[in-house]
Amino acid sequence: QVQLQESGPGLVKPSETLSLSCAVSGVSMQSYCWAWIRQSPGKGLEWIGYIYYSGSSYYNSSLESRVTISIDRSKTQFSLNLRSATAADTAVYFCAGAVAGSSPLIDYWGPGILVTVS
Amino acid sequence: NFVLIQPHSVSESPGKTVTISCTRSGGSIGSHYVHWYQQRPGTSPTTVIYEDKQRPSGVSDRFSGSLDTSSNSASLTISGLKTEDEADYYCLSFDGRFWVFGGGTKLTVL
Repeated sequence: QVQLQESGPGLVKPSETLSLSCAVSGVSMQSYCWAWIRQSPGKGLEWIGYIYYSGSSYYNSSLESRVTISIDRSKTQFSLNLRSATAADTAVYFCAGAVAGSSPLIDYWGPGILVTVS
Repeated sequence: NFVLIQPHSVSESPGKTVTISCTRSGGSIGSHYVHWYQQRPGTSPTTVIYEDKQRPSGVSDRFSGSLDTSSNSASLTISGLKTEDEADYYCLSFDGRFWVFGGGTKLTVL
C-alpha cells in the first residue's frame, strides 16, 4: 500500500523559511516525479513544483525565486523549502507522486498539512 | 505560460447531467493530456478522468471526459447525478515541464 505523509511545522513566522518533508512508502521512487501542491483556505489547487529521482526539479514561475525541492533517496522522502514566507503562503500543502511523462498523472496524494504563516 | 479557465460553480438536480468545462487560454488544448480531479471537503483530490477521457478503475461510468478543439477546451460530464457527486472538480494540464491547474468548479447537487 502506497503512503505519502507530510510533516513539518504547522506555524511559521513571516520572513522565515517554510520547510516540509514527505515520507514515501510502498512504491519505488524511481518511476515517479514527486510534487508539492498547495491550497490556500477556500481556494483552488496551486502547483508549486516537482522533482525527479535524478534530482532534476521544476518550479512554478510565480514561486521559483523562493522555492527549493530536494530528494533524499536514502530516506525515501522529499522536501520543500519556501523562503521568505508571508501570510499569502498560508495553505494546506499536499505532497504527491505522479507517473513521469509528458502529461504526468498524479497517482498518489498525501493527506495534506496546514501551514499558517503568522 | 497558459491558464485553464473553469466555471466557478455549477448546480443541477439529482438524476440530471452536468458538464464542467476547462478552457485553455494560451496554446492548444490538444498539446498535452488533461486530467480531472474530484475533491471533497477536507480530503485530498482523487482522479476521475485521466488522459482526456480515460476512466480509472473504480470510478463510475457516469463520469466521462472529452476534448473540443474548436473551443480549445476539455469537458467533464457527470450523468445520473447523485448527491455524493457534490464536490470541487479541477482540471490539470501541462506546458512542457510545467503544470497548471484550473481554478476549480464547485458542483452542487440539489
